Amino acid sequence: QVQLQQWGAGLLKPSETLSLTCAVYGGSFSGYYWSWIRQPPGKGLEWVGQINHSGGPNYNSSLKSRVAISLDMSKNQLSLELSSVTAADTAIYYCARNSVGTTPGKAFNIWGQGTMVTVSS
Amino acid sequence: QSALTQPRSVSGSPGQSVTISCTGTSSDVGGYNFVSWYQQHPGKAPKVMIYDVSMRPSGVPDRFSGSKSGNTASLTISGLQAEDEADYYCCSYAGTYTFYVFGSGTQVTVL
Repeated sequence: QVQLQQWGAGLLKPSETLSLTCAVYGGSFSGYYWSWIRQPPGKGLEWVGQINHSGGPNYNSSLKSRVAISLDMSKNQLSLELSSVTAADTAIYYCARNSVGTTPGKAFNIWGQGTMVTVSS
Repeated sequence: QSALTQPRSVSGSPGQSVTISCTGTSSDVGGYNFVSWYQQHPGKAPKVMIYDVSMRPSGVPDRFSGSKSGNTASLTISGLQAEDEADYYCCSYAGTYTFYVFGSGTQVTVL
């Protein structure tokens, strides 16, 4: 059974860079898109971006100038970096697999546990 | 890209049916048959309940059903149960520039 385990710094100061990692256990890493999705406290979900092993990353246009998503195929890990953070970037960040069942698709059916990132001076 | 529009809250008694709407545009909901719905209990990660407008993943009760008409998608929960009380979000694929847009979220209360 595929599981996603995330980690990263939970408290940042304004202007610092957010850095999170998501490890994939128990299943194939290639052949799928992998996304980052965030949720500010008490608010809705926002798609941050996605990546797969054979194509370049795709980003939410509102974050494109500050975000970078990468893959480490040797470790079955994906990473998120978001630069120049502000209080507006305070959120729970989730990694997720774009799939339906075990088939690549345009839904998110496997999620990490979420990482709360707070930006505060 | 604006969030898809959902009602802030809906409620129903056990056994009743509730329907949550999700209104977008021809660039997202209306343009693709890739609408998914997510259930989120407090402090938990979202769980997919419907994908590709009306398909139900393995393990999701058949009380949950999805549909779409024009630019509006809908999630119906029939035979409402206490454990259905949660927040629900729709999501639509929106092409190769925007990719994915989520709804504003709906809180379902079981009276």
